Amino acid sequence: EAQVTQNPRYLITVTGKKLTVTCSQNMNHEYMSWYRQDPGLGLRQIYYSMNVEVTDKGDVPEGYKVSRKEKRNFPLILESPSPNQTSLYFCASSLGTGENENYGYTFGSGTRLTVV
Amino acid sequence: AQKITQTQPGMFVQEKEAVTLDCTYDTSDPSYGLFWYKQPSSGEMIFLIYQGSYDQQNATEGRYSLNFQKARKSANLVISASQLGDSAMYFCAMREGAAGGYNKLIFGAGTRLAVHP
Repeated sequence: EAQVTQNPRYLITVTGKKLTVTCSQNMNHEYMSWYRQDPGLGLRQIYYSMNVEVTDKGDVPEGYKVSRKEKRNFPLILESPSPNQTSLYFCASSLGTGENENYGYTFGSGTRLTVV
Repeated sequence: AQKITQTQPGMFVQEKEAVTLDCTYDTSDPSYGLFWYKQPSSGEMIFLIYQGSYDQQNATEGRYSLNFQKARKSANLVISASQLGDSAMYFCAMREGAAGGYNKLIFGAGTRLAVHP
């Protein structure tokens, strides 16, 4: 089954304790991205990757890191989490780009992170 | 400036009636795509419908249709014959810059739809 797998689904952690949220896709997609969802703000892009070893900042990258060493994996790293990073996180992948094509995203199931 | 605007934080509809969820967008890119996603209480993002900027006809997918008015920059979602299972948060999103190899989705704030029996 084509899917994006995120782990964990739920995570409660303490301020300053490094954590990693994993993301893996089995569709050979080139494009992967991380979003955070907050009430009233919709989903905002944190980081994205257009291919292996190619990553760039999205709209809200502060406090996050990513890596793309393999095509299928795109982990999100919080080196020193803070309470304002409490949010619902989504990983998503896409086949690629194409003018006016329906290269939509496949989303993971989400990770609900609470930082206390 | 907001690129995707959903002006309705919440909507109510009676079961079996039709409902329109509003979405306006702002872009100077001639090539873009518009998406609607459904997010039930379980949290996952479910793709509903897509409209390309060059598509001549409004997109339809079962009970979902997209009322695309390019000149007005609006892409409203119409759900016909509402069902209780349609109760969810709905997000409008835009992908721009595809011609330049960029594939970013920009989301609106969402509209929470409640379907009443």
